[in-house]
Amino acid sequence: SAVISQKPSRDICQRGTSLTIQCQVDSQVTMMFWYRQQPGQSLTLIATANQGSEATYESGFVIDKFPISRPNLTFSTLTVSNMSPEDSSIYLCSSSTGGDGYTFGSGTRLTVV
Amino acid sequence: DAKTTQPTSMDCAEGRAANLPCNHSTISGNEYVYWYRQIHSQGPQYIIHGLKNNETNEMASLIITEDRKSSTLILPHATLRDTAVYYCIVRGGSGNTPLVFGKGTRLSVIA
Repeated sequence: SAVISQKPSRDICQRGTSLTIQCQVDSQVTMMFWYRQQPGQSLTLIATANQGSEATYESGFVIDKFPISRPNLTFSTLTVSNMSPEDSSIYLCSSSTGGDGYTFGSGTRLTVV
Repeated sequence: DAKTTQPTSMDCAEGRAANLPCNHSTISGNEYVYWYRQIHSQGPQYIIHGLKNNETNEMASLIITEDRKSSTLILPHATLRDTAVYYCIVRGGSGNTPLVFGKGTRLSVIA
């Protein structure tokens, strides 16, 4: 199955700034998914990213706050914009090869101060 | 995708079998049952999946009831490294649809 390299692994950011998280997959994948995991909670889907089209956002998440890029079949970025302490979470990317397998990045632990 | 219900937490003695139940009473005919686990906020790790037959791999066994309304993940000889949150997920369609996570079961393996 695919292997995803996600970076940064963690960051501490000032409120009002933005952070871009990168995910690089070692093979071409059809879809990529971005999740947020708030402290002590389960994973919540933010959006689905297909190469060559705009990402599809879940209810409660908007493009202005979480812009996503998917320039090719092996790479995607998620930006957390105009951050506030409530954005402190772990952010994870995931990929699907179109079959049964899903792979996850190791996560980005974001703390906003 | 069908909703799943899992116990919030379970304990298991090291070396014993860990049996993690999952209810998915609204599962439809083309939906698979997936199990993932997450160890201390790392990315979720795939364990096993199945449609209606029991499945076994090097990590675990998956037992699905005949009516498919529930399943059990079995870790045959739990170790301390199996301490994690285990997620039972029902998913249909193709790999173009995302996994939707419930709250999962926090399994603590005790020495």
